Amino acid sequence: DQQVKQNSPSLSVQEGRISILNCDYTNSMFDYFLWYKKYPAEGPTFLISISSIKDKNEDGRFTVFLNKSAKHLSLHIVPSQPGDSAVYFCAARQRNYGQNFVFGPGTRLSVLP
Amino acid sequence: DSGVTQTPKHLITATGQRVTLRCSPRSGDLSVYWYQQSLDQGLQFLIQYYNGEERAKGNILERFSAQQFPDLHSELNLSSLELGDSALYFCASSESFGETQYFGPGTRLLVL
Repeated sequence: DQQVKQNSPSLSVQEGRISILNCDYTNSMFDYFLWYKKYPAEGPTFLISISSIKDKNEDGRFTVFLNKSAKHLSLHIVPSQPGDSAVYFCAARQRNYGQNFVFGPGTRLSVLP
Repeated sequence: DSGVTQTPKHLITATGQRVTLRCSPRSGDLSVYWYQQSLDQGLQFLIQYYNGEERAKGNILERFSAQQFPDLHSELNLSSLELGDSALYFCASSESFGETQYFGPGTRLLVL
């Protein structure tokens, strides 16, 4: 049973436009969420995080939104750049339950010039 | 560069063999995690060590084992290898547990 879902395997966006990557989770006990970016032949790179006590966190072009009632988070990239083309993983942690992260299957983002 | 190093980068071996993957965490990090990523799949958590002790186990096969040494580096041992074990194996580290993890570049294992 997948606790963290990324239902879009891939997404294509024009350069300069907004990219929105979605993530849904089933465990209401998750309290901390992260987004990772992964280029081919490299390890995932931490991008941005959000705690369940917040509903938004911003870092430059990247903003993560959390909707706890819907068990949904999204990553917005504005403006999108060709260098953003990568696989994006959403991850969630349940505090006091092994403290480990559950990763989603990833969404491949292609930013077209 | 995340500060996490993994060796070797690539490994080709035959079914039935045993291999050892090595990971050095970021300076100061006490937790080490191992993940497996099969072709086009997500990251599957295998096992975590914290300051030398096993902290959590995920979907790790009995043929696989790991340890973390006093200098905090970690090794993942894969034995009786099968074709299906071919995958990318990532190591990650964090200061403690439950904190943001920083990933190494991975070891690509190919079992023929």
